[in-house]
Amino acid sequence: AQKITQTQPGMFVQEKEAVTLDCTYDTSDPSYGLFWYKQPSSGEMIFLIYQGSYDQQNATEGRYSLNFQKARKSANLVISASQLGDSAMYFCAMRGHNTNAGKSTFGDGTTLTVKP
Amino acid sequence: DTAVSQTPKYLVTQMGNDKSIKCEQNLGHDTMYWYKQDSKKFLKIMFSYNNKELIINETVPNRFSPKSPDKAHLNLHINSLELGDSAVYFCASSQGPQAPNTGELFFGEGSRLTVL
Repeated sequence: AQKITQTQPGMFVQEKEAVTLDCTYDTSDPSYGLFWYKQPSSGEMIFLIYQGSYDQQNATEGRYSLNFQKARKSANLVISASQLGDSAMYFCAMRGHNTNAGKSTFGDGTTLTVKP
Repeated sequence: DTAVSQTPKYLVTQMGNDKSIKCEQNLGHDTMYWYKQDSKKFLKIMFSYNNKELIINETVPNRFSPKSPDKAHLNLHINSLELGDSAVYFCASSQGPQAPNTGELFFGEGSRLTVL
């Protein structure tokens, strides 16, 4: 079974500051991928960043980085230099590579509000 | 060209009616999904098809019947609609679960179903 836990229902950050959104996971699959998606108020789901369970380095994509701590089963998203357009709901997700037929399981999401 | 497109974007209907949502992807992906996002924004997988074959069928009422005429299309038919079916239904696609890839989901814009 796969489980994703996001313990922060809502977060606030000042514009231009960095923010960390927490995500912990549980899985019996030895190989898996971790994802973050953004859902702005307009409703679409946007893929942000991916981390493979065997990747040695933390993933980075522009202002997004993933702080992956495998032993702690955490995959926190760090957004640097926050912008007003970062205000959205953020979902952490995981997908097993060997079991669960490629199913992606999502956390409950964190609503991020960037203050000017 | 929209990568994953769903129609209609909005449906408003009475309890007891039947409705369908269509989804098409032009990404050449093997796997397509239906996700349901409820009023609390929780995102849950409903079904997944890989090359027209049903591979994931979560505990969804029998009133929901997916159909995949080919690997680029996945439709969702809902019989005898109930109030609790009101939600946003997202279609998504990804590369196959066994492919050596990140496997991120590409989402459609969502179809907001309101049952009165």
